[in-house]
Amino acid sequence: DTAVSQTPKYLVTQMGNDKSIKCEQNLGHDTMYWYKQDSKKFLKIMFSYNNKELIINETVPNRFSPKSPDKAHLNLHINSLELGDSAVYFCASSQDRKVSYNSPLHFGNGTRLTVT
Amino acid sequence: AQSVTQLDSQVPVFEEAPVELRCNYSSSVSVYLFWYVQYPNQGLQLLLKYLSGSTLVKGINGFEAEFNKSQTSFHLRKPSVHISDTAEYFCAVSDQGQTDSWGKLQFGAGTQVVVTP
Repeated sequence: DTAVSQTPKYLVTQMGNDKSIKCEQNLGHDTMYWYKQDSKKFLKIMFSYNNKELIINETVPNRFSPKSPDKAHLNLHINSLELGDSAVYFCASSQDRKVSYNSPLHFGNGTRLTVT
Repeated sequence: AQSVTQLDSQVPVFEEAPVELRCNYSSSVSVYLFWYVQYPNQGLQLLLKYLSGSTLVKGINGFEAEFNKSQTSFHLRKPSVHISDTAEYFCAVSDQGQTDSWGKLQFGAGTQVVVTP
């Protein structure tokens, strides 16, 4: 199936740990994103990569580090996890460098991160 | 920078009744407009999108949205809802012009639709 897939679906870990979330898209899109959805369902962009180049880097703690080995993969590594990092993290992709009518976002199913 | 306001955080509705979800936006340039749906424990799925032309846009699952430039609104409607329409609905905008927000999709806070028999 063509899709944006991310793993794991659920991630429960303790404060201070380091964890990674992986994302892959087989849609042939050029740009991939990480969004964070908080407990009130608010969605906020974190990063985007276009062909392995970082193009959007919002105000995010530097404990969060995205890595894109190729344009089909975008991983998110989080160091020294804190309670406030608990959220659902969504990977997404778009055909073009920027979101537009012809290049809407396609989302993965999310990774629910719980930090205890 | 653009902003999006969804006026209702929750909308309860009976099965087979109509529903309208309100969305207002602001931007200094023209925008692309989107509605996404998030079913429980799933990712976001595109319902419909708008660029220009006819002010009424049809999407999937019987949803449609009406663009009103003077009121800067993009309200979502469905004439008859099903139980399966219970979900969170997000309005989103992206600037067309080369602003600081260009290419970023700004989401509203979401409207939870709860359909009961």
